[in-house]
Amino acid sequence: KNQVEQSPQSLIILEGKNCTLQCNYTVSPFSNLRWYKQDTGRGPVSLTIMTFSENTKSNGRYTATLDADTKQSSLHITASQLSDSASYICVVTDYSGGGADGLTFGKGTHLIIQP
Amino acid sequence: DAGVTQSPTHLIKTRGQHVTLRCSPISGHKSVSWYQQVLGQGPQFIFQYYEKEERGRGNFPDRFSARQFPNYSSELNVNALLLGDSALYLCASSLDGPRGDVYGYTFGSGTRLTVV
Repeated sequence: KNQVEQSPQSLIILEGKNCTLQCNYTVSPFSNLRWYKQDTGRGPVSLTIMTFSENTKSNGRYTATLDADTKQSSLHITASQLSDSASYICVVTDYSGGGADGLTFGKGTHLIIQP
Repeated sequence: DAGVTQSPTHLIKTRGQHVTLRCSPISGHKSVSWYQQVLGQGPQFIFQYYEKEERGRGNFPDRFSARQFPNYSSELNVNALLLGDSALYLCASSLDGPRGDVYGYTFGSGTRLTVV
């Protein structure tokens, strides 16, 4: 069964500090991995999308890494801001095709930035 | 350019009632997917439509149904509401086909459904 595990479940850091969120997956066959940011009560917003051949992708202060061999990804946030407080969801896509959307969602990491 | 729009934003219904949720994808997007997100969990896949045809269905009871219209907007219908149907219902559209492999999905802000 395809699974995506995220850690930690929740994290509290001070404004201006860096942090790293982890995502481990057992999804096969792998197509791509996406990180989304979801503010409370809102829809997820895409941060990065990486395919098998990509190791690193940046979007402003967000940098995602992918190790397809160990099936691990991380999202690094640099110089955190209060607006970074949100849930961060890791989503892995497979090539399963018909019958489902092929996406496996993690439960997310709830990040709180304190002033 | 408008993003994915969902209506209504909030809704309170009584057990046993019926509800219809609406979604308008980004202009040019032909794929619409519906998800249910319970508090503290990741979204769960309900339906996917592409070019007005159902392309995928998640593990939800027959009380859940959906359709896509010629203008690619979509409706999600839920009959005989249960307390457990209370959740944030998300709609997502994609530019590059039903799986959004290249450009990913763009989500709407969701409809918060509360069943009492």
